[in-house]
Formats: sequence, structure tokens, C-alpha cells
Amino acid sequence: SQQGEEDPQALSIQEGENATMNCSYKTSINNLQWYRQNSGRGLVHLILIRSNEREKHSGRLRVTLDTSKKSSSLLITASRAADTASYFCATAGNNAGNMLTFGGGTRLMVKP
Amino acid sequence: SQTIHQWPATLVQPVGSPLSLECTVEGTSNPNLYWYRQAAGRGLQLLFYSVGIGQISSEVPQNLSASRPQDRQFILSSKKLLLSDSGFYLCAWDRYSYEQYFGPGTRLTVT
Repeated sequence: SQQGEEDPQALSIQEGENATMNCSYKTSINNLQWYRQNSGRGLVHLILIRSNEREKHSGRLRVTLDTSKKSSSLLITASRAADTASYFCATAGNNAGNMLTFGGGTRLMVKP
Repeated sequence: SQTIHQWPATLVQPVGSPLSLECTVEGTSNPNLYWYRQAAGRGLQLLFYSVGIGQISSEVPQNLSASRPQDRQFILSSKKLLLSDSGFYLCAWDRYSYEQYFGPGTRLTVT
């Protein structure tokens, strides 16, 4: 079973708008990561947030983590058509080595 | 810099035929290596991971096997493919960090 579940499963917005994707997980984690996948391609690592962090920024990306609610959100500000992709959260457990458990992903479409 | 290669990019195989997918990593040594499968429109399912030559761990029972004959080479195999083996296969690596780096993937269609 998947550790992370993204919400919504699909999101369509206009260029310039902000996009927010959410991820929920079930067990304690060491860190949570967000990846991006363009259609038919491999995944690209975007950002990692550790369990003792609450918020992290990278360019137009903002990630929050609430360990009490076992949830995270990814905010993409001022979206561009090139941001169209699927976004996945992945969790690294405390006793699972480096292994990641991926969620089902959010498909984001940014209309020009 | 490190790079990861997968081949072939696409593959169409009949049911019952063998399979061999290859993944190689350049620019690093002793990486952890992973094989994932992704069904259409879905997330990734971890199939195998390896922390060293000859060391393979399987996450789910299946029709597939993996081998690591060299430090930076990871092979996914099957003796007889099933229709349910169709999917997008991704190889990934990491070393010392939790961030994984993915190859371009192989799309397998079993007919």
C-alpha cells in the first residue's frame, strides 16, 4: 500500500495562478520529498523537508510539513505552462534505510 | 557529474517471452540502486533495491527478478512475461542522502 496520498488527483489552473497540492501519510517519517514527472519521463527531485522542519522554500516552491497531522503541502506560485506535470510526494521512514514510499501523484495542468 | 542510463526506452514483448532491462550509473561509486514500476496514471511501486554487488532485496512477490553484477549496473529480468508486467519501469540511485535520482524509464508493453 502507498504511504502518501496526494490530493487532488488532478488540478487545472491558468498561468499565473498558484497551485497547491497536498499529501497525507500514515506512519512516522524521517523526511518527506516532492518529485516532479513530465509525461513519459523519469522523476526529478524538487525538495526535501525533514521531520523537524515546518516549512521550506526553493524558488517558486514552498513546502510545509505538519507531522501532527501527518500531512504536507506543495505550493507552486505564479505557475507557468512549463509547470504542467505530475507531482509526487515520497516519504522516508525512520527505520527503512533510504527507501522511499511514493504517493499516487497529482496531475497538474497549467493553461497558457 | 552523475548520470543514469536505462535501456531500452520502449519494448513490446509477447506473453511468455523473457525480459532484460538494464540500468547503469556513471560518476559515482557504491550507489544504492532501485527498480520501480509505474502503472498508467499511478504512483511508483518499489520492486527491488540493492545496497551493493550481489545484494538484492525484493519488496513484492512477483514474476520478476533483479541482479547487480557490477557496482553500477542493475538488471531487471523475467523468464516468462505476463500481461500484468506491462508498465513503466524506472531505475533510480542514491548515495548518502535520501534524494533519489531517476533514469528516463523503459515503457514495457506485453502483448
